[in-house]
Amino acid sequence: DIQMTQSPASLSASVGDRVTITCRASQSISSYLNWYQQKPGKAPKLLIYAASSLLSGVPSRFSGRGSGTDLTLTISSLQPEDFATYYCQQSYSSPWTFGQGTKVELK
Amino acid sequence: QVQLVQSGAEVKKPGASVKVSCKASGYSFISYDINWVRQATGQGPEWMGWMNPNSGDTGYAQKFQGRVTMTRNISISTAYVELSSLRSEDTAVYYCARGQSDNGWFRLDPWGQGTPVTVSS
Repeated sequence: DIQMTQSPASLSASVGDRVTITCRASQSISSYLNWYQQKPGKAPKLLIYAASSLLSGVPSRFSGRGSGTDLTLTISSLQPEDFATYYCQQSYSSPWTFGQGTKVELK
Repeated sequence: QVQLVQSGAEVKKPGASVKVSCKASGYSFISYDINWVRQATGQGPEWMGWMNPNSGDTGYAQKFQGRVTMTRNISISTAYVELSSLRSEDTAVYYCARGQSDNGWFRLDPWGQGTPVTVSS
């Protein structure tokens, strides 16, 4: 199975900050990576698929980059509604596996 | 709008089975796979497997082979997951999610609201 490791596990940031989360795969996954946002008590919500394709309706301050083993999610200017936990998920090979999450908290 | 609505919370004893339902609306139920994912408190999501509602074909993660069964009732656009021989480690929120794949780019969207399952004696 492909292991997904996210860093950092948590971060504190202020509204307006630029934030980058990294997802490292245990083997190359090309661009087969999705990003989800999860708020407390809610289901994960897809933000980005195929490493950099923004889902319709997702604000353009979210962006994804990378390919191979190291991929990133960036929020260019953090907004109050962005404080949440973010998960990466590889779709290169089954079983689909997720990272352990990055919690973005208010500083 | 596309929506997946799951059944309510369950409390089970160790060794028992649980069956969770997921009712789809807003799209053609037979056109997209249904995936099941669980998430223990404070952990990342864990993918359990998929089911093709049209054919009934299934694929399970090895960890759950022999204990999980995914089925559907096309007439009511509902998918089910049943997990048997429950143990305390199965305590988690169980989610269904629609699988989408365009040109090989697979993703899970949308997700049901989740069904908490507690296994306790």
